[in-house]
Amino acid sequence: QQQVKQSPQSLIVQKGGISIINCAYENTAFDYFPWYQQFPGKGPALLIAIRPDVSEKKEGRFTISFNKSAKQFSLHIMDSQPGDSATYFCASGGTSYGKLTFGQGTILTVHP
Amino acid sequence: DTEVTQTPKHLVMGMTNKKSLKCEQHMGHRAMYWYKQKAKKPPELMFVYSYEKLSINESVPSRFSPECPNSSLLNLHLHALQPEDSALYLCASSLILAADYNEQFFGPGTRLTVL
Repeated sequence: QQQVKQSPQSLIVQKGGISIINCAYENTAFDYFPWYQQFPGKGPALLIAIRPDVSEKKEGRFTISFNKSAKQFSLHIMDSQPGDSATYFCASGGTSYGKLTFGQGTILTVHP
Repeated sequence: DTEVTQTPKHLVMGMTNKKSLKCEQHMGHRAMYWYKQKAKKPPELMFVYSYEKLSINESVPSRFSPECPNSSLLNLHLHALQPEDSALYLCASSLILAADYNEQFFGPGTRLTVL
């Protein structure tokens, strides 16, 4: 089974700091890379997504960096806030597959 | 309306019971998904329906039986479950099964406890 490896498992950041979560994928046919945010007791919600034809995508404080040759992508959260404390999942998929393969998740805690 | 709703929010059932989970969306999406999520783990895909037909079954035990009565509704029928089936069951939908930026919208889930 194709895997998506996510690190770190947990991350503690001070308010105003930068949070960085990394993912690596195996299947070169993947062409869709979303990040999901999940709060306790809620379903995951799409945060930001990228296609491999660009190396970076920014939406507000959230940026995805993508390295196609290394088969890696990362999420950067600038000016991290306590409200960002949640579990973050990277995922990979292909437009021909429909399915998403999720990473194991990162529990982010932002201290005030 | 960009919401996926799930009922019930919580469900406790015995191993001999039969129960059903319900999911509804009114976004005109034609792909609907069932996921199982254990604590501190990612969602695991169980079933995918595309245009009301079962497209993907991830080798799920037959004690879980999905049903898609129409394009807005998705059910998961449960029978003779085991305690290890206790988990958060998530429903999701997307515009179609395979598409650019195939954003999946998740519901809040049903917290299932099997005694």
